[in-house]
Amino acid sequence: AQSVSQHNHHVILSEAASLELGCNYSYGGTVNLFWYVQYPGQHLQLLLKYFSGDPLVKGIKGFEAEFIKSKFSFNLRKPSVQWSDTAEYFCAVNAGGGADGLTFGKGTHLIIQP
Amino acid sequence: SQTIHQWPATLVQPVGSPLSLECTVEGTSNPNLYWYRQAAGRGLQLLFYSVGIGQISSEVPQNLSASRPQDRQFILSSKKLLLSDSGFYLCACLGQGGAHTQYFGPGTRLTVL
Repeated sequence: AQSVSQHNHHVILSEAASLELGCNYSYGGTVNLFWYVQYPGQHLQLLLKYFSGDPLVKGIKGFEAEFIKSKFSFNLRKPSVQWSDTAEYFCAVNAGGGADGLTFGKGTHLIIQP
Repeated sequence: SQTIHQWPATLVQPVGSPLSLECTVEGTSNPNLYWYRQAAGRGLQLLFYSVGIGQISSEVPQNLSASRPQDRQFILSSKKLLLSDSGFYLCACLGQGGAHTQYFGPGTRLTVL
Protein backbone atom coordinates (compact mmCIF):
# COMPACT_ATOMS: atom_id res chain seq x y z
CA ALA A 1 0.00 0.00 0.00
CA GLN A 2 1.13 3.52 -0.68
CA SER A 3 1.93 6.11 1.97
CA VAL A 4 2.57 9.85 1.93
CA SER A 5 4.85 11.80 4.19
CA GLN A 6 4.74 15.56 4.64
CA HIS A 7 7.81 16.75 6.48
CA ASN A 8 6.55 20.01 7.93
CA HIS A 9 3.46 19.99 10.10
CA HIS A 10 3.54 23.69 10.93
CA VAL A 11 5.21 26.42 8.91
CA ILE A 12 5.23 30.12 9.69
CA LEU A 13 6.46 32.61 7.10
CA SER A 14 6.35 36.30 6.49
CA GLU A 15 4.65 37.77 3.46
CA ALA A 16 6.79 37.74 0.31
CA ALA A 17 8.91 34.85 1.59
CA SER A 18 9.41 31.84 -0.63
CA LEU A 19 7.65 28.60 0.22
CA GLU A 20 8.52 24.98 -0.26
CA LEU A 21 6.50 22.20 1.35
CA GLY A 22 7.94 18.73 1.15
CA CYS A 23 6.02 15.63 0.15
CA ASN A 24 7.37 12.12 -0.33
CA TYR A 25 5.41 9.04 -1.21
CA SER A 26 6.14 5.35 -1.14
CA TYR A 27 4.86 3.30 -4.04
CA GLY A 28 6.78 1.52 -6.75
CA GLY A 29 4.33 1.87 -9.61
CA THR A 30 2.60 4.62 -11.53
CA VAL A 31 1.07 7.30 -9.36
CA ASN A 32 -1.12 10.35 -9.72
CA LEU A 33 -0.08 13.13 -7.37
CA PHE A 34 -2.11 15.97 -5.90
CA TRP A 35 -1.87 18.95 -3.64
CA TYR A 36 -5.08 20.04 -1.95
CA VAL A 37 -5.61 23.17 0.12
CA GLN A 38 -8.14 23.94 2.81
CA TYR A 39 -8.56 27.63 3.60
CA PRO A 40 -10.12 28.48 6.97
CA GLY A 41 -13.82 27.70 6.88
CA GLN A 42 -13.77 26.43 3.30
CA HIS A 43 -13.97 23.13 1.44
CA LEU A 44 -10.92 21.10 0.61
CA GLN A 45 -10.01 22.12 -2.93
CA LEU A 46 -7.53 21.04 -5.56
CA LEU A 47 -4.41 23.17 -5.89
CA LEU A 48 -2.65 21.19 -8.62
CA LYS A 49 -2.12 17.67 -9.90
CA TYR A 50 0.35 15.55 -11.82
CA PHE A 51 -0.57 12.58 -14.00
CA SER A 52 2.08 12.45 -16.69
CA GLY A 53 4.23 14.61 -18.93
CA ASP A 54 6.07 17.69 -17.75
CA PRO A 55 7.11 17.00 -14.14
CA LEU A 56 6.79 20.67 -13.28
CA VAL A 57 3.12 21.45 -12.88
CA LYS A 58 1.50 24.78 -12.24
CA GLY A 59 -1.63 25.24 -10.22
CA ILE A 60 -3.89 27.98 -9.04
CA LYS A 61 -2.78 31.10 -7.17
CA GLY A 62 0.84 30.93 -8.32
CA PHE A 63 1.64 27.53 -6.83
CA GLU A 64 3.72 24.93 -8.61
CA ALA A 65 5.06 21.48 -7.80
CA GLU A 66 7.79 19.33 -9.21
CA PHE A 67 7.57 15.57 -9.51
CA ILE A 68 10.98 13.95 -9.05
CA LYS A 69 10.48 10.26 -9.69
CA SER A 70 13.93 9.22 -8.48
CA LYS A 71 13.26 10.87 -5.13
CA PHE A 72 9.59 9.86 -4.88
CA SER A 73 8.89 13.50 -4.18
CA PHE A 74 6.28 16.07 -5.16
CA ASN A 75 7.23 19.28 -3.38
CA LEU A 76 4.99 22.33 -3.48
CA ARG A 77 6.49 25.76 -4.11
CA LYS A 78 5.51 29.38 -4.35
CA PRO A 79 8.10 32.13 -4.90
CA SER A 80 6.32 34.80 -2.87
CA VAL A 81 3.56 33.99 -0.39
CA GLN A 82 0.69 36.21 0.63
CA TRP A 83 -1.28 36.47 3.83
CA SER A 84 -4.20 34.83 2.01
CA ASP A 85 -2.14 31.66 1.56
CA THR A 86 -2.68 30.83 5.22
CA ALA A 87 -4.28 27.38 5.08
CA GLU A 88 -3.82 23.67 5.56
CA TYR A 89 -2.04 21.94 2.68
CA PHE A 90 -2.35 18.24 1.92
CA CYS A 91 -0.31 16.11 -0.42
CA ALA A 92 -2.09 13.04 -1.80
CA VAL A 93 -1.35 10.11 -4.07
CA ASN A 94 -3.52 7.78 -6.08
CA ALA A 95 -1.87 4.60 -7.27
CA GLY A 96 -2.59 4.62 -10.96
CA GLY A 97 -6.11 3.27 -11.07
CA GLY A 98 -8.10 6.39 -10.55
CA ALA A 99 -11.18 4.75 -9.05
CA ASP A 100 -9.47 3.98 -5.78
CA GLY A 101 -9.33 6.56 -3.07
CA LEU A 102 -6.53 8.95 -2.30
CA THR A 103 -3.84 8.43 0.29
CA PHE A 104 -3.16 11.69 2.06
CA GLY A 105 -0.28 13.04 4.07
CA LYS A 106 -0.98 14.46 7.51
CA GLY A 107 -1.04 17.99 6.21
CA THR A 108 0.97 21.16 6.75
CA HIS A 109 -0.54 24.10 8.55
CA LEU A 110 0.87 27.22 6.90
CA ILE A 111 0.59 30.58 8.62
CA ILE A 112 1.61 33.73 6.78
CA GLN A 113 2.33 36.72 8.95
CA PRO A 114 1.64 40.14 7.45
CA SER B 1 -19.51 20.54 -12.56
CA GLN B 2 -20.54 18.47 -9.59
CA THR B 3 -21.71 19.81 -6.24
CA ILE B 4 -21.45 17.75 -3.09
CA HIS B 5 -23.78 18.24 -0.15
CA GLN B 6 -23.24 16.80 3.29
CA TRP B 7 -25.67 16.68 6.16
CA PRO B 8 -25.48 17.50 9.00
CA ALA B 9 -22.67 20.03 9.21
CA THR B 10 -22.00 19.32 12.87
CA LEU B 11 -23.13 16.60 15.21
CA VAL B 12 -22.62 15.80 18.87
CA GLN B 13 -23.54 12.27 19.88
CA PRO B 14 -23.14 10.16 23.03
CA VAL B 15 -21.06 7.02 23.06
CA GLY B 16 -23.14 4.02 22.05
CA SER B 17 -25.63 5.97 19.97
CA PRO B 18 -26.21 5.29 16.26
CA LEU B 19 -24.95 7.47 13.43
CA SER B 20 -26.10 8.37 9.97
CA LEU B 21 -24.27 10.89 7.80
CA GLU B 22 -25.56 11.68 4.37
CA CYS B 23 -23.81 12.76 1.21
CA THR B 24 -25.59 13.69 -2.00
CA VAL B 25 -24.10 14.73 -5.31
CA GLU B 26 -25.50 16.96 -8.03
CA GLY B 27 -24.36 17.60 -11.57
CA THR B 28 -23.06 14.16 -12.42
CA SER B 29 -24.28 10.62 -12.87
CA ASN B 30 -22.85 7.28 -11.74
CA PRO B 31 -20.01 8.93 -9.84
CA ASN B 32 -17.37 7.17 -7.79
CA LEU B 33 -17.97 8.29 -4.21
CA TYR B 34 -15.71 8.26 -1.18
CA TRP B 35 -15.86 8.74 2.58
CA TYR B 36 -12.80 10.09 4.36
CA ARG B 37 -12.18 10.89 8.01
CA GLN B 38 -9.80 13.45 9.43
CA ALA B 39 -9.06 12.88 13.08
CA ALA B 40 -7.29 15.49 15.20
CA GLY B 41 -3.61 15.73 14.26
CA ARG B 42 -3.91 13.25 11.43
CA GLY B 43 -4.35 13.42 7.71
CA LEU B 44 -7.39 12.33 5.78
CA GLN B 45 -7.98 8.59 5.90
CA LEU B 46 -10.02 6.80 3.27
CA LEU B 47 -12.84 4.82 4.89
CA PHE B 48 -15.04 3.60 2.04
CA TYR B 49 -15.51 4.05 -1.65
CA SER B 50 -18.25 3.08 -4.04
CA VAL B 51 -18.23 2.70 -7.81
CA GLY B 52 -21.99 2.16 -8.09
CA ILE B 53 -25.29 1.52 -6.34
CA GLY B 54 -24.90 -1.18 -3.70
CA GLN B 55 -21.16 -1.48 -4.31
CA ILE B 56 -19.05 -0.62 -1.28
CA SER B 57 -15.35 -1.17 -0.70
CA SER B 58 -14.03 -0.83 2.82
CA GLU B 59 -10.49 0.35 3.31
CA VAL B 60 -10.20 0.24 7.08
CA PRO B 61 -11.91 -2.26 9.42
CA GLN B 62 -13.78 -0.26 12.02
CA ASN B 63 -16.99 0.56 13.73
CA LEU B 64 -18.50 2.17 10.65
CA SER B 65 -20.36 1.03 7.56
CA ALA B 66 -21.42 2.66 4.31
CA SER B 67 -24.28 2.24 1.92
CA ARG B 68 -25.23 3.58 -1.47
CA PRO B 69 -28.97 3.27 -1.90
CA GLN B 70 -29.16 5.62 -4.89
CA ASP B 71 -26.78 6.67 -7.63
CA ARG B 72 -25.95 10.01 -6.07
CA GLN B 73 -26.42 9.22 -2.39
CA PHE B 74 -23.77 7.84 -0.08
CA ILE B 75 -24.44 7.19 3.60
CA LEU B 76 -22.04 6.57 6.45
CA SER B 77 -23.47 4.74 9.46
CA SER B 78 -22.67 3.23 12.79
CA LYS B 79 -24.81 1.16 15.15
CA LYS B 80 -22.85 2.21 18.25
CA LEU B 81 -20.47 5.15 18.26
CA LEU B 82 -17.12 5.05 20.03
CA LEU B 83 -15.13 7.99 21.34
CA SER B 84 -12.56 7.27 18.66
CA ASP B 85 -15.16 7.93 15.95
CA SER B 86 -14.90 11.66 16.60
CA GLY B 87 -13.51 13.57 13.66
CA PHE B 88 -14.24 15.44 10.49
CA TYR B 89 -15.96 13.33 7.84
CA LEU B 90 -15.60 14.27 4.20
CA CYS B 91 -17.47 12.93 1.22
CA ALA B 92 -15.78 13.11 -2.17
CA CYS B 93 -16.68 12.47 -5.76
CA LEU B 94 -14.38 11.49 -8.61
CA GLY B 95 -14.35 14.00 -11.44
CA GLN B 96 -15.84 13.00 -14.76
CA GLY B 97 -14.02 12.56 -18.03
CA GLY B 98 -11.05 10.62 -16.72
CA ALA B 99 -9.79 13.54 -14.71
CA HIS B 100 -8.81 11.31 -11.77
CA THR B 101 -9.43 14.27 -9.51
CA GLN B 102 -11.59 14.06 -6.43
CA TYR B 103 -13.85 16.90 -5.34
CA PHE B 104 -14.83 17.27 -1.74
CA GLY B 105 -17.94 18.25 0.15
CA PRO B 106 -18.03 20.66 3.09
CA GLY B 107 -17.71 17.90 5.69
CA THR B 108 -19.42 16.90 8.92
CA ARG B 109 -17.82 17.59 12.28
CA LEU B 110 -18.69 14.68 14.60
CA THR B 111 -18.00 14.82 18.32
CA VAL B 112 -18.66 11.72 20.37
CA LEU B 113 -18.93 12.36 24.11
